[in-house]
Amino acid sequence: DAKTTQPPSMDCAEGRAANLPCNHSTISGNEYVYWYRQIHSQGPQYIIHGLKNNETNEMASLIITEDRKSSTLILPHATLRDTAVYYCIDTTGNQFYFGTGTSLTVIP
Amino acid sequence: GAVVSQHPSRVICKSGTSVKIECRSLDFQATTMFWYRQFPKKSLMLMATSNEGSKATYEQGVEKDKFLINHASLTLSTLTVTSAHPEDSSFYICSARALQGRGGELFFGEGSRLTVL
Repeated sequence: DAKTTQPPSMDCAEGRAANLPCNHSTISGNEYVYWYRQIHSQGPQYIIHGLKNNETNEMASLIITEDRKSSTLILPHATLRDTAVYYCIDTTGNQFYFGTGTSLTVIP
Repeated sequence: GAVVSQHPSRVICKSGTSVKIECRSLDFQATTMFWYRQFPKKSLMLMATSNEGSKATYEQGVEKDKFLINHASLTLSTLTVTSAHPEDSSFYICSARALQGRGGELFFGEGSRLTVL
């Protein structure tokens, strides 16, 4: 059962930062938050994951609040190819349950 | 990065027949594999978790006799949709979790689209 809440859709101008929020208020203390994205009719693609500290990789940055009840995925310079559905996943119970995700549209 | 391969990517079958979908981890060993199904414009729904050498754990509401899962080796899991009906038409996606050394990341296949006529 999904344990995360995300806005259903967002728009972002090309070249600007896209900030995607996620609420995971029921996450347990030692479980990671994962972010994936899915482009139409493809398998989900891993983006980033974190536990307590903020994380950054070549794709994105992940900001996790101190109480761990929410996080924000940041795509620093969105491109048209970043248009996709973004899922944040609470892995409590060692399961990967997908919520409804956020459909991000990058606008030229 | 790690690769998970699914086969077939598309399959069309007649109602009443059975269809097998394979999921392989190509460059790592997977202790756990997950099977999802996805309807158009909907999120992924976890169907079952399979662990190598043991019975799969099915999510509530998923018929285990309908969706047979076999995880015979650390690199292969199969999903068989038995006596398929049109309502089984869906996008089926597998994922694999590696042994230690991969940080518990979940790698997804590209999905298999099943159409039952």
